[in-house]
Amino acid sequence: AQSVTQLDSQVPVFEEAPVELRCNYSSSVSVYLFWYVQYPNQGLQLLLKYLSGSTLVKGINGFEAEFNKSQTSFHLRKPSVHISDTAEYFCAVTRYSGAGSYQLTFGKGTKLSVIP
Amino acid sequence: DGGITQSPKYLFRKEGQNVTLSCEQNLNHDAMYWYRQDPGQGLRLIYYSQIVNDFQKGDIAEGYSVSREKKESFPLTVTSAQKNPTAFYLCASSIQAGGPWEQFFGPGTRLTVL
Repeated sequence: AQSVTQLDSQVPVFEEAPVELRCNYSSSVSVYLFWYVQYPNQGLQLLLKYLSGSTLVKGINGFEAEFNKSQTSFHLRKPSVHISDTAEYFCAVTRYSGAGSYQLTFGKGTKLSVIP
Repeated sequence: DGGITQSPKYLFRKEGQNVTLSCEQNLNHDAMYWYRQDPGQGLRLIYYSQIVNDFQKGDIAEGYSVSREKKESFPLTVTSAQKNPTAFYLCASSIQAGGPWEQFFGPGTRLTVL
């Protein structure tokens, strides 16, 4: 069964510094990977996704992620963070649940705190 | 604007009462989902529906029920059998369940049991 591990539950970083949020997955089949962001008391918004093709994926708000099949990782990066990036970030992987249906398995989330 | 609406935003319930959370989408999506979010636990799938009049249990369906009588609507009932219902509930939809499609999320309902 697919699982997702987000290695850091909390990441503090100073404004304008770079950040990397780590995500590892376990799967024996082809995977599709997603990063979502959640601001306090709101729903989730898609940042970026990897379905196939180039392993470097660019998303919204200046974020990017690199799919590394050999290391089963999909780390999220931003070269210079802003106060408005303070939020919780979730990595997710698809899993096949039978009858032609795919579901998402989510990691437990990483809280990014940007310090002015 | 197309999107997903959930109501109410905050809900309080006494122990032993059933309560229904509303989820409506105008994206013309076939698939809809209910997740439960607890601090530090990520999102866990409660139920999902691929088409009207069909739904499947997710990972934590015990104590919950759903219906899908219309394409646009997927209400979730939290029953008195759910032992620890206080949580943040998120509804989502996708074009189809049969593929790696992006899921779009509503703003959530925070349920508190008093």
